[in-house]
Amino acid sequence: NAGVTQTPKFRVLKTGQSMTLLCAQDMNHEYMYWYRQDPGMGLRLIHYSVGEGTTAKGEVPDGYNVSRLKKQNFLLGLESAAPSQTSVYFCASSYGMPEETQYFGPGTRLLVL
Amino acid sequence: KQEVTQIPAALSVPEGENLVLNCSFTDSAIYNLQWFRQDPGKGLTSLLLIQSSQREQTSGRLNASLDKSSGRSTLYIAASQPGDSATYLCAPALFSGGYNKLIFGAGTRLAVHP
Repeated sequence: NAGVTQTPKFRVLKTGQSMTLLCAQDMNHEYMYWYRQDPGMGLRLIHYSVGEGTTAKGEVPDGYNVSRLKKQNFLLGLESAAPSQTSVYFCASSYGMPEETQYFGPGTRLLVL
Repeated sequence: KQEVTQIPAALSVPEGENLVLNCSFTDSAIYNLQWFRQDPGKGLTSLLLIQSSQREQTSGRLNASLDKSSGRSTLYIAASQPGDSATYLCAPALFSGGYNKLIFGAGTRLAVHP
């Protein structure tokens, strides 16, 4: 099992450019999540999905869109990148039962100039 | 709104010491609480998960306790080793909107030197 993988590992964007971050999991998890982590702050939830074809907003959804066309994949899109979106992005997945933990990917470092 | 505070923010100790990391949270209506470890440039690894009905969980040299009514959890690390150097994150969970909503603290950065 690869667990949770994220592509790319690192990316530099110019303000206004767009990009898509890909998250894939091979554990047949129903639930998937996108977080961002900024220095001195805990992880904050951007969007999440409770199953294929569903998405919902988290704490900090503005400026991001997501799609879950296949159960194993969860895509995070930035339509027009801003310097405030410079961060480390983590994807996670879980079975969805409240007693279960979330499994995290290695992260994507994004720098917006 | 759930707020999570971790104290201390950073800790540097010699190898072999026993450590206590503290976590406090404002909303005691949690479903469970997890402690994660994060190595530099890496993702998070779950260390211990305590259900709200439990008082503590143990895994090897790690012991986590939970006092839900007072909004506190501690992570005890026995006989610390250099390999324990990492950031430790506390995350109480609220079951809301059909999923386990984790609220993360900013973490305690631990350095164990030989």
